[in-house]
Amino acid sequence: EVQLVESGGGLVQPGGSLRLSCAASGFTFSSYSMNWVRQAPGEGLEWVSYISSGSSTIYYADSVKGRFTISRDNAKNLMYLQMNSLRAEDTAVYYCTREASDYWGQGTLVTVSS
Amino acid sequence: QAVLTQPSSLSASPGASASLTCTLRSGINVGTYRIYWYQQKPGSPPQYLLRYKSDSDKQQGSGVPSRFSGSKDASANAGILLISGLQSEDEADYYCMIWHSSAYVFGTGTKVTVL
Repeated sequence: EVQLVESGGGLVQPGGSLRLSCAASGFTFSSYSMNWVRQAPGEGLEWVSYISSGSSTIYYADSVKGRFTISRDNAKNLMYLQMNSLRAEDTAVYYCTREASDYWGQGTLVTVSS
Repeated sequence: QAVLTQPSSLSASPGASASLTCTLRSGINVGTYRIYWYQQKPGSPPQYLLRYKSDSDKQQGSGVPSRFSGSKDASANAGILLISGLQSEDEADYYCMIWHSSAYVFGTGTKVTVL
């Protein structure tokens, strides 16, 4: 069974940093591209970042470019999202998804507030 | 103008069919894209329903009932999610998505109410 489990969310002040993790199981992690997708409270879905299976190709949404960094460790079946210079508008549930989002984790809430 | 536009809401009766549209911005040709569809119920993450590009390039999500199907309306430059035989459990938000210009782009979402 495919499982994606996010962790690392929490309350952080504007300008602060946070690192999210996604633990994958139930499939050959190293063979799949992965994404982070977020959803602000009461809002729709917003794609954040993409990383290819071998980390050679990485893309970011314009809204996070230069502030967020995606990475992965295929030996540990883990994906990360390093978030710096956080803003109030980054407040959202962050989901880890596989490929074209055929599987989703339960999400982790990031709240940026003073 | 958003890349993908969806009607904000749709209401239908149990047993009826509901056609959800996902209209691509002018200049973006629906024929060249795989359209992905997701269902999200309150308090839960989205779930993958299906993808559709053509009758020869389509995929149903694992465990997704066949009453969910995809198609396109080229004249409207839109992808379509058809839900046949609506059930109360189909009440949810529905999102479309495409891969465009090195980014995944989600539609604005449609809230489906089963009256």
